[in-house]
Amino acid sequence: QSVLTQPASVSGSPGQSIIISCIGTSSDVGGYNHVSWYQQHPGKAPKLLIYDVSNRPSGISDRFSGSKSGNTASLTISGLQAEDEADYYCNSYTITSSLEIFGGGTKVTVL
Amino acid sequence: QVQLVQSGAEVKKPGSSVKVSCKASGGTFNNYAIIWVRQAPGQGLEWMGRITPMLSIANYAQKFQGRVTITADPSTNTVYMDLTTLRSEDTAVYYCARDPCSRGLLLDHYMDIWGRGTTVTVSS
Repeated sequence: QSVLTQPASVSGSPGQSIIISCIGTSSDVGGYNHVSWYQQHPGKAPKLLIYDVSNRPSGISDRFSGSKSGNTASLTISGLQAEDEADYYCNSYTITSSLEIFGGGTKVTVL
Repeated sequence: QVQLVQSGAEVKKPGSSVKVSCKASGGTFNNYAIIWVRQAPGQGLEWMGRITPMLSIANYAQKFQGRVTITADPSTNTVYMDLTTLRSEDTAVYYCARDPCSRGLLLDHYMDIWGRGTTVTVSS
């Protein structure tokens, strides 16, 4: 069982915005800004979308944005597109082990 | 641009060991950390451990303590992940990924470059 809790699935229509939550504790998400998000298409390696809560690497669309409030981090996908259909994972540093942990993953479906 | 090239698929018997390699090309190997992540069929990502080649310091998730060893060979820009006492539940795709350590030797705690993955199948 993952320490970071994500919804199993989120869906939306093209053009809509969706939000994926990642609930942790004060020992991980709430206590540090080392939250990152990854997108994974079937059969492919994960791809970094967001690091340090809200920073986008070069080349990542500004339709993807990250935020944090308390022990919950969020990934927002704006202007949903068919190509956004994928699995999304959050990751956070945790002081409990001084390592990193993943959320259970969220499957995004574009209706 | 740094690329991480992983070794090929493996089929192993229960109780045996597997060693997966991850070769970095196009960058200075010692300036970042390498993390290993695995994904069982139909399951999520699981953080296994990491190594900082410059310091040869490896850290492991508690679940894998005693069964996994991560080592680095700076002369060949290669990191290895050795998993022992294999069981069917270890059947998974194993990924290596880079923590860029953009602030010198300090970890950034995210993974910006990933290998393509190595499929390890454990079956009798």
